[in-house]
Amino acid sequence: DTAVSQTPKYLVTQMGNDKSIKCEQNLGHDTMYWYKQDSKKFLKIMFSYNNKELIINETVPNRFSPKSPDKAHLNLHINSLELGDSAVYFCASSQMTSGGTQYFGPGTRLTVL
Amino acid sequence: TQLLEQSPQFLSIQEGENLTVYCNSSSVFSSLQWYRQEPGEGPVLLVTVVTGGEVKKLKRLTFQFGDARKDSSLHITAAQPGDTGLYLCAGARLRGGSEKLVFGKGTKLTVNP
Repeated sequence: DTAVSQTPKYLVTQMGNDKSIKCEQNLGHDTMYWYKQDSKKFLKIMFSYNNKELIINETVPNRFSPKSPDKAHLNLHINSLELGDSAVYFCASSQMTSGGTQYFGPGTRLTVL
Repeated sequence: TQLLEQSPQFLSIQEGENLTVYCNSSSVFSSLQWYRQEPGEGPVLLVTVVTGGEVKKLKRLTFQFGDARKDSSLHITAAQPGDTGLYLCAGARLRGGSEKLVFGKGTKLTVNP
């Protein structure tokens, strides 16, 4: 009965590669998010989607491209990975675009070598 | 620019002691949320405070929102080893009808038995 799930849990890859992280929520929420948590535990929003439409894009490099095939899924594709992309990426979802509780997934630890 | 200053960054105390974590900003937020994050997991919402001056209690945890809705505090009474974790405050800002959470850098709490 996992609420927000992410795959993979760990991802180790070489610089310059392209990789994807998948996120699914079974809560019936309309809004989904991607966050990046750096090595100092600072959590920062990257993207927000509502009903498959992009509503927040926080000046993230265009190497990062979120894709929402339906409102239960929000995947993150990263092109030409760089060392600075190493971080833990969290997916989250909420019922509404504002005022609702955000439920976070378990995170994907990305390591770029 | 760090909108939310959280202090202290690290806190190590003995079981039974009291502690307070502060979250300060020069910006006004529509609400302020407190999360707790365990290693290898995503943040979990503890409480949301909405009204200036609001105080909420969750067992031994007391949360307060400043009158001007710019700052908040989390007070834990008689801390227990099970309280160990990363505590994050997050201010909610409305932008174009959608809500964006701005996180503090977290307080890593260790309660020693």
